[in-house]
Amino acid sequence: SQTIHQWPATLVQPVGSPLSLECTVEGTSNPNLYWYRQAAGRGLQLLFYSVGIGQISSEVPQNLSASRPQDRQFILSSKKLLLSDSGFYLCACRGANEQYFGPGTRLTVT
Amino acid sequence: SQKIEQNSEALNIQEGKTATLTCNYTNYSPAYLQWYRQDPGRGPVFLLLIRENEKEKRKERLKVTFDTTLKQSLFHITASQPADSATYLCALILTGGGNKLTFGTGTQLKVEL
Repeated sequence: SQTIHQWPATLVQPVGSPLSLECTVEGTSNPNLYWYRQAAGRGLQLLFYSVGIGQISSEVPQNLSASRPQDRQFILSSKKLLLSDSGFYLCACRGANEQYFGPGTRLTVT
Repeated sequence: SQKIEQNSEALNIQEGKTATLTCNYTNYSPAYLQWYRQDPGRGPVFLLLIRENEKEKRKERLKVTFDTTLKQSLFHITASQPADSATYLCALILTGGGNKLTFGTGTQLKVEL
């Protein structure tokens, strides 16, 4: 079965600074990959998904971007963070129909 | 507008009782509905999937029902235990949706001794 790694686990960044969150997947090839954000007390919001290398679909317009440079690597980036970017960022991988989630990155923008 | 609603108030029940959580949706035609468990500070974990043509699904102490007429799913945990305490999320996969999940906000369950 798939194993999803995310780093860092926690991050505190000032407003206006750049961001790079990384997700890697083991145990599968050519997976569908997803980035979600979970704000405090709210549900999971799908940000980006990818069906293959270099293929990114954006679900919500914002100052974030995603890239997939390798089959099992998915990166979430920002050039300038906003306070509203704070949240719990989760990477997920598609199974048969379910999704497997990584451990998440807790981002606090100060 | 499209909405997925779960009880925002926490559900507190006594150990050994059956917990029942509700997921209602509007303006969706889901192909599948899924339930996930999320513990604090961790990613969701898949529990059960039910298809639009299925009425009920069971797995050990878990049971899910799906009523596409009422646009509602019920999630039951029988003989609940303190270890079942967590937030439970429902999620929809839409027909032709590319396996994208749309999540409800979750219901926190606390099972007390």
